[in-house]
Amino acid sequence: KAGVTQTPRYLIKTRGQQVTLSCSPISGHRSVSWYQQTPGQGLQFLFEYFSETQRNKGNFPGRFSGRQFSNSRSEMNVSTLELGDSALYLCASSMGQSNEKLFFGSGTQLSVL
Amino acid sequence: GEDVEQSLFLSVREGDSSVINCTYTDSSSTYLYWYKQEPGAGLQLLTYIFSNMDMKQDQRLTVLLNKKDKHLSLRIADTQTGDSAIYFCAANRDDKIIFGKGTRLHILP
Repeated sequence: KAGVTQTPRYLIKTRGQQVTLSCSPISGHRSVSWYQQTPGQGLQFLFEYFSETQRNKGNFPGRFSGRQFSNSRSEMNVSTLELGDSALYLCASSMGQSNEKLFFGSGTQLSVL
Repeated sequence: GEDVEQSLFLSVREGDSSVINCTYTDSSSTYLYWYKQEPGAGLQLLTYIFSNMDMKQDQRLTVLLNKKDKHLSLRIADTQTGDSAIYFCAANRDDKIIFGKGTRLHILP
């Protein structure tokens, strides 16, 4: 079974631009969660999607958004990029039941210049 | 304070046991997890424990849970160079999984 796939692996953008990251979950998994990882803040929860609906949301500004498609693939978008958005963005999938084990992708390393 | 706290660094000699400690704040957390992150990779689930258990052993890994003190530990027996990584403690809260900042385990020869 293929694992969680995130694309692209690396991304360089400049301030003010927007970016879209993609995540393909493990086949059969219906939940996708997104996390931002930085050296200072560790892993911060962004949001979770289940069956195309946002089920949970962390404390990030509205510039961070996401969506999930009918095949469970998910995208997250960051608009008006700031230097502080530089981070590793991790996607994790699960079957979707509460308190389940998460399976992580390798992440997208975003650098904002 | 943080919801899940752990020390940032640990150095251990190869062959010794490593003990990584974690504390959490939400007494209603029912699942507690340990994840491992190697350089350039995502997080890999190592093990997890239900809050009604106080110990779980899986090969070289032993998890101890003190629910009264909200303290979780991960013991790695016979630490090897391949164990060098960042170890994250996590707890479920409000249908989310909250992670600590990770403990970087450094193996000394």
